[in-house]
Amino acid sequence: GQNIDQPTEMTATEGAIVQINCTYQTSGFNGLFWYQQHAGEAPTFLSYNVLDGLEEKGRFSSFLSRSKGYSYLLLKELQMKDSASYLCAVRDGNYGQNFVFGPGTRLSVLP
Amino acid sequence: NAGVTQTPKFRILKIGQSMTLQCAQDMNHNYMYWYRQDPGMGLKLIYYSVGAGITDKGEVPNGYNVSRSTTEDFPLRLELAAPSQTSVYFCASSSLTGGRYEQYFGPGTRLTVT
Repeated sequence: GQNIDQPTEMTATEGAIVQINCTYQTSGFNGLFWYQQHAGEAPTFLSYNVLDGLEEKGRFSSFLSRSKGYSYLLLKELQMKDSASYLCAVRDGNYGQNFVFGPGTRLSVLP
Repeated sequence: NAGVTQTPKFRILKIGQSMTLQCAQDMNHNYMYWYRQDPGMGLKLIYYSVGAGITDKGEVPNGYNVSRSTTEDFPLRLELAAPSQTSVYFCASSSLTGGRYEQYFGPGTRLTVT
């Protein structure tokens, strides 16, 4: 079957670093995506990993280990505007354009 | 570019009614998707399309139908609405860009069935 797990909620302080983990089990793997979703809004793309390793993009980095079915999103120098839900999604390579989303992690950044 | 647009933004339906949620994109993307998102949950794929005339079921297709007669439009039809279909519906589109299928989402349609 297909399953993606993320922590439900996390809290961090402005200026700090936070790591949001994602574990997945899918029948096929063809890329892992992270999206940011502010309350009441649509998800927006943050990062993409298809090979093992770290992808860095400004204050955001994402890591992938395909053998462990594991990814994390690292947010540095947290700002209040980073308070949002972070969704992990896997593109299942066995099913064309089938994207499987995790439940999302709600991050609260406190002053 | 307007990106992905959805109408209506909000709708209240009575049980048993039908409606069509509209979705359009102006980015010439081949792939389009419909998701639903229940409160505090992730996105569940309802249907997707890889091009005009081609559609396929996602994880939760029951109670819904789609069509893709043009590259731009991908409407979602709800027949015989049920309270379990109360949700936020997001349409998305993507194409292969830079080696990835990054999805662009519309603003969503908030549907309540009572």
